[in-house]
Amino acid sequence: EAQVTQNPRYLITVTGKKLTVTCSQNMNHEYMSWYRQDPGLGLRQIYYSMNVEVTDKGDVPEGYKVSRKEKRNFPLILESPSPNQTSLYFCASSFTSGSLQTQYFGPGTRLLVL
Amino acid sequence: SQQGEEDPQALSIQEGENATMNCSYKTSINNLQWYRQNSGRGLVHLILIRSNEREKHSGRLRVTLDTSKKSSSLLITASRAADTASYFCATASLTDSNYQLIWGAGTKLIIKP
Repeated sequence: EAQVTQNPRYLITVTGKKLTVTCSQNMNHEYMSWYRQDPGLGLRQIYYSMNVEVTDKGDVPEGYKVSRKEKRNFPLILESPSPNQTSLYFCASSFTSGSLQTQYFGPGTRLLVL
Repeated sequence: SQQGEEDPQALSIQEGENATMNCSYKTSINNLQWYRQNSGRGLVHLILIRSNEREKHSGRLRVTLDTSKKSSSLLITASRAADTASYFCATASLTDSNYQLIWGAGTKLIIKP
């Protein structure tokens, strides 16, 4: 089944403890991105990747890192999480041309930073 | 920055009625996309309409695009309880030589049985 998977789905952590949220897609998509969703703010893009080894900042990249070593995986790294990073995170992918095409979303990761 | 702005923010109607949601945007676009999100879940793509198209249909969904008014509408006909969800529009616009998807804050639709 074509899908985008994220792990973990729920995570509670403490300030400063490094964490990684994994994202994987099995559709051979070139474009992948990370969003955070906060009440009343819609989706805000954190980072995106046009292809392997090509990543770029979105609207709200501060406090986050990403890597794209393989086409299928696009992990999101929080080196030193803070409470303002408590949010619902989504990974998304599309074939090519990034935002010009339909985005396929993962199920989301709900993060609480204490 | 928010480009797409959905209107209304929330809509509550009876099952069987039609639901209309609107999206306005500020800059020229390549396409506009509508997505649905069930509570706390991932977004699901509904329809993509290109800037040179005026109307598209998919089952009970009808999307219109008016580039002169920089607005789009999503019509769900004969609504069902399962249509209860949040609906988002996203505009693909050229920003700093890259196309970016810019999202609105969404319309929360409640279908009362």
